Amino acid sequence: EAGVTQFPSHSVIEKGQTVTLRCDPISGHDNLYWYRRVMGKEIKFLLHFVKESKQDESGMPNNRFLAERTGGTYSTLKVQPAELEDSGVYFCASSQLTGFKNTEAFFGQGTRLTVV
Amino acid sequence: GNSVTQMEGPVTLSEEAFLTINCTYTATGYPSLFWYVQYPGEGLQLLLKATKADDKGSNKGFETTYRKETTSFHLEKGSVQVSDSAVYFCALSDGTGRRALTFGSGTRLQVQP
Repeated sequence: EAGVTQFPSHSVIEKGQTVTLRCDPISGHDNLYWYRRVMGKEIKFLLHFVKESKQDESGMPNNRFLAERTGGTYSTLKVQPAELEDSGVYFCASSQLTGFKNTEAFFGQGTRLTVV
Repeated sequence: GNSVTQMEGPVTLSEEAFLTINCTYTATGYPSLFWYVQYPGEGLQLLLKATKADDKGSNKGFETTYRKETTSFHLEKGSVQVSDSAVYFCALSDGTGRRALTFGSGTRLQVQP
C-alpha cells in the first residue's frame, strides 16, 4: 500500500512567485493535515481537512496560503505570493477517522521550500 | 494551550553509548504522547506512543514512560547505533485524538562509529 506522497520534494522559487504543493494521502484516510517546520524549529500545525471540509485552519499564517482538498482525495497548498519567511519543510499527514478517536497519523517525506 | 519542550541538539554520541532525550509537556486534560523519528531523506515515522499515565512504550530498543506527575516523556536507548542517527520529535495530541499534533522542536542525534 502506498504511503503519503508529497510533490515536489524540493522547490526553489523567487520572492513574489507562486508555488503549489501537493499531497496524496493514504487511500481511505479521511483526515489530512498540513504542517510546517521552519529553520529547524518545531513542526507547526497549519490546517486539518476531514474529507473535503476544513476542520481546523487556525494554524494558517496568513491569507497568502490557500489549501484545498478536491473531492476529499488529494490536497494542494498554494503560497501566493511567496515571501522569504515561507521557507521551510512542509509536511502532510493522513489518518483514518474511526468513531471517537482518530488513528495514527502517517506522514509524507515533506516538501522543502526555499524562497530566495 | 498545549506545548512541548524537548532538549536542543545536536546530540553526538559514540556507538553503544546511552541515549536520553528529554521531553516535557504542558496540556489540559489527558493528552496522548508520541515520539516521531525522521531519518535522513525520509518522512516522519511514529517510533513510540503512550495514551495514559504510566504507560511504557518500547520499539527498536527505544523506551519511554508517560509520567504525568512530572509531565515528562523522555526517550531512552541503552546502546545507540550509527543507524539511529536521525532527528527525533516529541509530540502530543489532546485526549480525544481528534486534533492535530503539537510538536517539540526536534533533537538531532548523530552517532559516530
